[in-house]
Amino acid sequence: QAVVTQEPSLTVSPGGTVTLTCGSSTGAVTSGHYPYWFQQKPGQAPRTLIYDTSNKHSWTPARFSGSLLGGKAALTLSGAQPEDEAEYYCLLSYSGPRVFGGGTKLTVL
Amino acid sequence: EVQLVESGGGLIQPGGSLRLSCAASGFTVSSNYMSWVRQAPGKGLEWVSFIYPDGSTYYADSVKGRITVSRDNSKNTLFLQMNSLRAEDTAVYYCARDGSGGQWGQGTLVIVSS
Repeated sequence: QAVVTQEPSLTVSPGGTVTLTCGSSTGAVTSGHYPYWFQQKPGQAPRTLIYDTSNKHSWTPARFSGSLLGGKAALTLSGAQPEDEAEYYCLLSYSGPRVFGGGTKLTVL
Repeated sequence: EVQLVESGGGLIQPGGSLRLSCAASGFTVSSNYMSWVRQAPGKGLEWVSFIYPDGSTYYADSVKGRITVSRDNSKNTLFLQMNSLRAEDTAVYYCARDGSGGQWGQGTLVIVSS
């Protein structure tokens, strides 16, 4: 089973920009991994922010965007808000089975 | 309104069986890619299982052979049959709608303990 890696923690200033990444032990992440990004706040169910690399849901704030960057999937937050402080998880598909990354704890400070 | 509601969790002894349900409203389960995801206390998310609209199923290595995903189209409900439960299966279990749907249920807690 592949291993999906994320930064354990990142800090961003209010109004700042930060990029979270998602790598795969099998090599470069491509659109064929259908990367997903989820946000989870304490005590809450996860919420899907991004699917299939860069597609947003109606509830996804415009300041979040997904892309492929340097062989990884990336989630960029531009103009961080205090309410963006949360755990962020990526998910990659491996021709059927899927694997979550370990999560990135994002602090807005 | 699109909604997913899980049920069926509880306290179960090691080696026991449990069936979780995920009742959907506002969309058709059989036309969507649906997942089960779990989260052990204080831990990250773990993908468990996936069912395609064509009925194809996939499982994480950690549960393969012990867990089966299915659906009842007449009830618009997704199921997760869990057998030979172990302490490490203790977690909140979520069902989720994939792709452009994106909804998650609120989760149901499974505790495997004697």
